Amino acid sequence: DGGITQSPKYLFRKEGQNVTLSCEQNLNHDAMYWYRQDPGQGLRLIYYSQIVNDFQKGDIAEGYSVSREKKESFPLTVTSAQKNPTAFYLCASSGTGDETQYFGPGTRLLVL
Amino acid sequence: KQEVTQIPAALSVPEGENLVLNCSFTDSAIYNLQWFRQDPGKGLTSLLLIQSSQREQTSGRLNASLDKSSGRSTLYIAASQPGDSATYLCAVRRGGGYNKLIFGAGTRLAVHP
Repeated sequence: DGGITQSPKYLFRKEGQNVTLSCEQNLNHDAMYWYRQDPGQGLRLIYYSQIVNDFQKGDIAEGYSVSREKKESFPLTVTSAQKNPTAFYLCASSGTGDETQYFGPGTRLLVL
Repeated sequence: KQEVTQIPAALSVPEGENLVLNCSFTDSAIYNLQWFRQDPGKGLTSLLLIQSSQREQTSGRLNASLDKSSGRSTLYIAASQPGDSATYLCAVRRGGGYNKLIFGAGTRLAVHP
């Protein structure tokens, strides 16, 4: 089956801790994205990558970091600098010439 | 700065009703507009995509229209069913460059038997 997987489904972070959210796709897509969704709000773009070894900040990149070492993987690290990390995190990808973004099932991050 | 607004925020209807969800955007210079569905605690599924040069798109019981000049789009759901219960989000893509989407906050729809 082709698609996007995110893990874990739930993640708990302690104060001052960095945590990493996994996103993997087997759709052979060049572009990948990370969004944050807060209750009652739309999705906001954190980071995006149009090609391997390249990524750009989105609208709310502060306190987050990413890497894109492989085409199929785009992990997101929530650092201790992100003071309000509790949210639902969604990863997406899109192919060249494909207008649609395909979304993973999401990771819910909670602070202990 | 592009802003996307969806009205109403929540809607509850009896099964079988035809209904309209609204989306408005502040900058008419868009590349396309998409409607997504999100079930509770899940990711998004694309329903319909309308290019800036198009007026509407249809898929089954869903019809989306676009009036770019007035900055509005509507999603029409015919003969609603309990399985349609979900949050519906619209998103606009800016012209040119990468595929960046600006999302509205969504309309939470409940269809009761």
